[in-house]
Amino acid sequence: GDSVTQTEGLVTVTEGLPVKLNCTYQTTYLTIAFFWYVQYLNEAPQVLLKSSTDNKRTEHQGFHATLHKSSSSFHLQKSSAQLSDSALYYCALSDSPNTNKVVFGTGTRLQVLP
Amino acid sequence: SVLLYQKPNRDICQSGTSLKIQCVADSQVVSMFWYQQFQEQSLMLMATANEGSEATYESGFTKDKFPISRPNLTFSTLTVNNARPGDSSIYFCSSGDSNYAEQFFGPGTRLTVL
Repeated sequence: GDSVTQTEGLVTVTEGLPVKLNCTYQTTYLTIAFFWYVQYLNEAPQVLLKSSTDNKRTEHQGFHATLHKSSSSFHLQKSSAQLSDSALYYCALSDSPNTNKVVFGTGTRLQVLP
Repeated sequence: SVLLYQKPNRDICQSGTSLKIQCVADSQVVSMFWYQQFQEQSLMLMATANEGSEATYESGFTKDKFPISRPNLTFSTLTVNNARPGDSSIYFCSSGDSNYAEQFFGPGTRLTVL
């Protein structure tokens, strides 16, 4: 089956420094949509970014990600982390033409320190 | 997008009892999904519910323990039978409005089993 891998359980970064959260995937489908979700404390997950175009940079709220099908990756980056970015981040994909089921990674907790 | 509402927001129950969590969408959706999330941990997909058919459960979740109903295209109910302290977690329902689109989440139901 399809899978999404997030290797870091916790990423800690100092405010103002760049941050990168890694995401790789495995799928047998050709048509795929990719997402980054963010979950703030005591809230529900919400979409941060989405993409389905190979090698195209997608940006939102200062974060950016580029889908690279050649390396099966969709890493999330930000040039300057803010304290308010501290949250749980999930990488996910949707590959089914018959349902909107989404496969989530295990999540990476981002902790931004002052 | 899809707006999802859950009731109750939180519940406290005694071990051995059963409780129901309701999820209502503001528009008709094909599939509804139920997730379990333990404190500060990953989202775990429990089951997929489509109207008029039995829910499809993921490994580790059974219909005897977590029966799910989907009587129409805007409503679903998750029941937790014979609740145990190990069932204490947040339960989210989610859905999307089209294939390859993001999922939207309800606000979650925080369950505490004493």
